[in-house]
Amino acid sequence: DVKVTQSSRYLVKRTGEKVFLECVQDMDHENMFWYRQDPGLGLRLIYFSYDVKMKEKGDIPEGYSVSREKKERFSLILESASTNQTSMYLCASSSEGREEETQYFGPGTRLLVL
Amino acid sequence: EDQVTQSPEALRLQEGESSSLNCSYTVSGLRGLFWYRQDPGKGPEFLFTLYSAGEEKEKERLKATLTKKESFLHITAPKPEDSATYLCAVLPTDSWGKLQFGAGTQVVVTP
Repeated sequence: DVKVTQSSRYLVKRTGEKVFLECVQDMDHENMFWYRQDPGLGLRLIYFSYDVKMKEKGDIPEGYSVSREKKERFSLILESASTNQTSMYLCASSSEGREEETQYFGPGTRLLVL
Repeated sequence: EDQVTQSPEALRLQEGESSSLNCSYTVSGLRGLFWYRQDPGKGPEFLFTLYSAGEEKEKERLKATLTKKESFLHITAPKPEDSATYLCAVLPTDSWGKLQFGAGTQVVVTP
């Protein structure tokens, strides 16, 4: 069965802290994605990766970085958290090729930056 | 520019009252269209993928259809447990796997 897990369901951090959000998938998928979801703005892509050590900017990469050292793991890093990064963060993964491009999502991490 | 529009924004149904959600899209080329269900505070749960105009897929009380400009998600005889936000997303042919999401339709089914 498809499984994407995220390290935390809820996080509370202070402004200026470095924050790590981790995502692990067990489906041997090539592609992994980080989104944030805010009321009224929908899902917005932050970064994605199509291979180990490869990364591409999404629509809103400012203030974020990512790391993919292993195929199954994709980390989102907030170098210096700010209050406008309070959001729901969603990780997803997908494979290559037709019929396999469906993105499967993790449960989400709700981050509050004070 | 690629665009995905879902309507209505919100839908309130009585249990057993069938209805349809709309997802209209504008893309230069469509590689796939995806429907997800999202419960409050949770990640989207995959429902269907559609690839070609005329294609239909069903799962329990849900049926998704696709034309060249839009997709419909039909909910037949809904139950309260069908209450959720339904998201539509398109995968353009030149997108490198990047989905374009609609804003969603929030469905509430009352007993």
